[in-house]
Amino acid sequence: EDQVTQSPEALRLQEGESSSLNCSYTVSGLRGLFWYRQDPGKGPEFLFTLYSAGEEKEKERLKATLTKKESFLHITAPKPEDSATYLCAPSGYSTLTFGKGTMLLVSP
Amino acid sequence: DVKVTQSSRYLVKRTGEKVFLECVQDMDHENMFWYRQDPGLGLRLIYFSYDVKMKEKGDIPEGYSVSREKKERFSLILESASTNQTSMYLCASSLGQGTYEKLFFGSGTQLSVL
Repeated sequence: EDQVTQSPEALRLQEGESSSLNCSYTVSGLRGLFWYRQDPGKGPEFLFTLYSAGEEKEKERLKATLTKKESFLHITAPKPEDSATYLCAPSGYSTLTFGKGTMLLVSP
Repeated sequence: DVKVTQSSRYLVKRTGEKVFLECVQDMDHENMFWYRQDPGLGLRLIYFSYDVKMKEKGDIPEGYSVSREKKERFSLILESASTNQTSMYLCASSLGQGTYEKLFFGSGTQLSVL
């Protein structure tokens, strides 16, 4: 059975304080791993897709990396507008499994 | 940009009512999905469709049905609403076949069943 665990469940940072979110997964036949951002009361919004171990992708202050068992979302010098819940979702041969998310709060 | 529109932002229904949640996408996507999202449980797939008049059960289909009569429209039906179906319902679409494509989500419908 495919499994996804995101940690921490919640993270509070000061503006400018860099950190990383973790996504550990067990998926048969990984086809890709997705990261989404979800603001309160809205649907998730696509951020990145990673397809193979060693791959990295960047967007503004965010960088996603992938290994065979984990993915990290690194946030460099975050701003209050980065506050959101971040979801990871590995895709297997015929499944897409969402993690429960990490709720990030960035204080000014 | 792809737009996925859900007909209601908030909905309050009574136990036993038949409830229709509507979703429309405007980018000619093949795939459409219905998820529910609950605190502590994350996103769970209810039903999905890869083509018109086609439907597949997801992880939690019990108590739900779907309809896809037109490519752009995917409806979720609660045949007899119950309080444990109180949740945020999210519709999504993707371009082609396969689970390894990015999803475009609607803004969600917060359903309360009293």
